[in-house]
Amino acid sequence: GAVVSQHPSRVICKSGTSVKIECRSLDFQATTMFWYRQFPKQSLMLMATSNEGSKATYEQGVEKDKFLINHASLTLSTLTVTSAHPEDSSFYICSATPPGLAGGPHEQFFGPGTRLTVL
Amino acid sequence: AQSVAQPEDQVNVAEGNPLTVKCTYSVSGNPYLFWYVQYPNRGLQFLLKYITGDNLVKGSYGFEAEFNKSQTSFHLKKPSALVSDSALYFCAVRDGNSGNTPLVFGKGTRLSVIA
Repeated sequence: GAVVSQHPSRVICKSGTSVKIECRSLDFQATTMFWYRQFPKQSLMLMATSNEGSKATYEQGVEKDKFLINHASLTLSTLTVTSAHPEDSSFYICSATPPGLAGGPHEQFFGPGTRLTVL
Repeated sequence: AQSVAQPEDQVNVAEGNPLTVKCTYSVSGNPYLFWYVQYPNRGLQFLLKYITGDNLVKGSYGFEAEFNKSQTSFHLKKPSALVSDSALYFCAVRDGNSGNTPLVFGKGTRLSVIA
């Protein structure tokens, strides 16, 4: 149980275009999902908390107009990188946890990640 | 504020030898501590966690970790390393009083097991 998927696994786009990344909880519903960004040889940086039915909460320094998050259903959150530039190239990972198992002593479940390359 | 330190960027060990990946943490309340492993271009896989009780916790793939409250450490260990253990390892913490908040991760330690 607690499987999280991401699509696509890899995307290459031209500078100035927008890219949408999907995060799905496959066998549970998640009211909260987290989006992380990972640069090469660096740790995961929390970008935002995605809340179903309400606005996402962004971490300090993350441009909310640049990284649009939509949590339209209990099993799907999307991250759209708008007007992407080469510096947005990174590995994006989402995380979700079944209700009743969120926070506290419970581990987070992670998607396989999406490698974005902006040319 | 919560934080995690992994002092080693890289750990090299010969196959069959014991391995240790170090982690220290800082939280204001009781810590919940976690270890994850990441293979190239993959997400994070949960290995083990410490919540309460026995200081030595056992997890997946033969890994274990020892919680040391006085040293605020949670080092990951394995008695006999395998080449397939080569990966990136992350220590993470959550303050026990912080409710549903995301884990805070260390910067990661790359483990290389040499045949």
